[in-house]
Amino acid sequence: DTGVSQNPRHKITKRGQNVTFRCDPISEHNRLYWYRQTLGQGPEFLTYFQNEAQLEKSRLLSDRFSAERPKGSFSTLEIQRTEQGDSAMYLCASSYFPGQGNQPQHFGDGTRLSIL
Amino acid sequence: GQNIDQPTEMTATEGAIVQINCTYQTSGFNGLFWYQQHAGEAPTFLSYNVLDGLEEKGRFSSFLSRSKGYSYLLLKELQMKDSASYLCAVDNYGQNFVFGPGTRLSVLP
Repeated sequence: DTGVSQNPRHKITKRGQNVTFRCDPISEHNRLYWYRQTLGQGPEFLTYFQNEAQLEKSRLLSDRFSAERPKGSFSTLEIQRTEQGDSAMYLCASSYFPGQGNQPQHFGDGTRLSIL
Repeated sequence: GQNIDQPTEMTATEGAIVQINCTYQTSGFNGLFWYQQHAGEAPTFLSYNVLDGLEEKGRFSSFLSRSKGYSYLLLKELQMKDSASYLCAVDNYGQNFVFGPGTRLSVLP
């Protein structure tokens, strides 16, 4: 079990550019979540997948944000036309959902995005 | 709406006991999780409550009262390495976790 892996760890880009982040979940986990975290705040939920299906995306911050999990394994989060306010830590988490009940989510180390 | 409250900061002495409170109002409830987050690192899972009562895991215990919308995390025999942010998160029927703002704990020698 290598844990949840995210890359890049840091991304610095100019305003208006597009960025894409990747998340590789724990292999046996069927659920994958994306969060955004700003300094001094708790993580803010963005979207989640069960296998390849995106089950909740209404919390994505704007239509500039999109996420995919094409084969039910790794996922990507894309931000188009970045803005200053997009600067934050983007966290990915995964969990195993057995059909009922719940399991804790396991987080990756995040991708820190800085918009110049 | 969704609202989770925690104290912003707490300070305690090495070897002491500290209780971090969390109150919540969420549209759904399927369990409450506590996470520890050191600065610049990922949140790590500490404890989980879905039924009322106390769950104990070593130096950490967590309590839940669903009728009061209240939980606390109890840390015993504090160590310097326990200095971190502690995040309370409500599982909103498995669709997403709603996190509180976190409590930054400083452990002093």
